[in-house]
Amino acid sequence: SYELTQSPSVSVFPGQTASITCSGDNLMNRYVSWYQQRPGQSPVLVIYQDRKRPSGRPERFSGSNSGNTATLTISDTQPVDEADYYCQAWDSNTASVAFGGGTKLTVL
Amino acid sequence: QGQLQESGPGLVKPPETLSLTCTVSNGSISIYYWNWIRQPPGKGLEWIGYVDYSGSVIYAPSLQSRVTISVDTSKNQFSLKLRSVTAADTAMYFCARGKKGLTVTTGFYFMDVWGKGTTVTVSS
Repeated sequence: SYELTQSPSVSVFPGQTASITCSGDNLMNRYVSWYQQRPGQSPVLVIYQDRKRPSGRPERFSGSNSGNTATLTISDTQPVDEADYYCQAWDSNTASVAFGGGTKLTVL
Repeated sequence: QGQLQESGPGLVKPPETLSLTCTVSNGSISIYYWNWIRQPPGKGLEWIGYVDYSGSVIYAPSLQSRVTISVDTSKNQFSLKLRSVTAADTAMYFCARGKKGLTVTTGFYFMDVWGKGTTVTVSS
């Protein structure tokens, strides 16, 4: 099955830019989605198809995908952005969904 | 915007069968793809599988020998059955709506609406 790797944690101060990465073999050939999960809540889609933002999600959230790495970028990070973030891709070989292990974002 | 709600027993004895239902409201189940995802305590998300309105299913390779996902379009519900459970199946179980498609470059799949989740503990 297809594997996605994320760093366990990222820390930023309020107002800074947070970059959360997701690595996979030839990841640029797959579309990546990102989910935010605040403590005790269900995941929320924040980016899909690499860089599209669902209606209602702040413009501070953006995404990119190049080579073997996809990146979720949060500009002007706010305390409310503190959460776990998961990347997800579709594995067309097995027709199945792959999740990364998640990155805990701490806003200091 | 659809809403999803999981329901089912919170406690299951090993090696019985875990059974959960997800009810879809404010939208038809006859489009999209309907997923189950789980999250063990303190761990990450694990996709279990999906079903579409016609009953076609895809399961995660690691669970496919024990999983059945089915749909009941008359009730706007879909269900999960996980057989021969052990303590390792203790988790929060989420249902979610999936969208799949093709572009000129490749296929995509994402889940845009999630239920609040239900906790299932496997213990004798």
